[in-house]
Amino acid sequence: QSALTQPPSASGSPGQSVTISCTGTTSAFGVYNSLSWYQQHPGKAPKLIIYEVNKRPSGVPDRFSGSKSGDTASLTVSGLQAEDEADYYCSSFAGGNIFILGGGTKLTVL
Amino acid sequence: QLLLQESGPGLVKPSETLSLTCSVSGGSVTAHYWTWIRQPPGKGLEWVGYTHHRGITNYNPSLKGRVTISLDTSKNHFSLNVHSVTAADTAVYYCATGAYWLDTWGQGTLATVSS
Repeated sequence: QSALTQPPSASGSPGQSVTISCTGTTSAFGVYNSLSWYQQHPGKAPKLIIYEVNKRPSGVPDRFSGSKSGDTASLTVSGLQAEDEADYYCSSFAGGNIFILGGGTKLTVL
Repeated sequence: QLLLQESGPGLVKPSETLSLTCSVSGGSVTAHYWTWIRQPPGKGLEWVGYTHHRGITNYNPSLKGRVTISLDTSKNHFSLNVHSVTAADTAVYYCATGAYWLDTWGQGTLATVSS
């Protein structure tokens, strides 16, 4: 069964870098390079911040970067700022043409 | 700029059908994939399903049989029906669009299942 696994929490101090992992089964990364990341602040809709593994939509700061190696994708937030405190979700268009979402990681800026 | 807005009753009784609509402005529902995502209170995001004008539809296997998503090209909106609801279907429901990733989202609407 396709699944994406994220750590439930991550933290860092302002100015530091934090990396959030997203580990998937082979079928979870079914469509090549379909891995995306979303940021969600409390009470708000999710926002796309990374698509196609490492591309940023217009307007997303370059402090956010994505990568993938083997069965693990990663989101790195560099130069942490207070407004980066949010929940982050990875997602993939998996085998069987279904979307799967990770369980989410709560990022705390200390 | 594509804008999405969800609407529907905030309260549904158990065993009934939850019906939500997503109004699309700034674009046509005859393009793109149209998706529903939900988020139970305090929990993570869950993909519900998607549809496309060319008749492509797919649903979360865990919800199959209870969910239908349809397009109304005359009203430029798409809809979600969740049948035989229980308290576990209580969630904020988001509509969104994109192919392999979701680049535009509605603000979400809370649907509560309660008698």
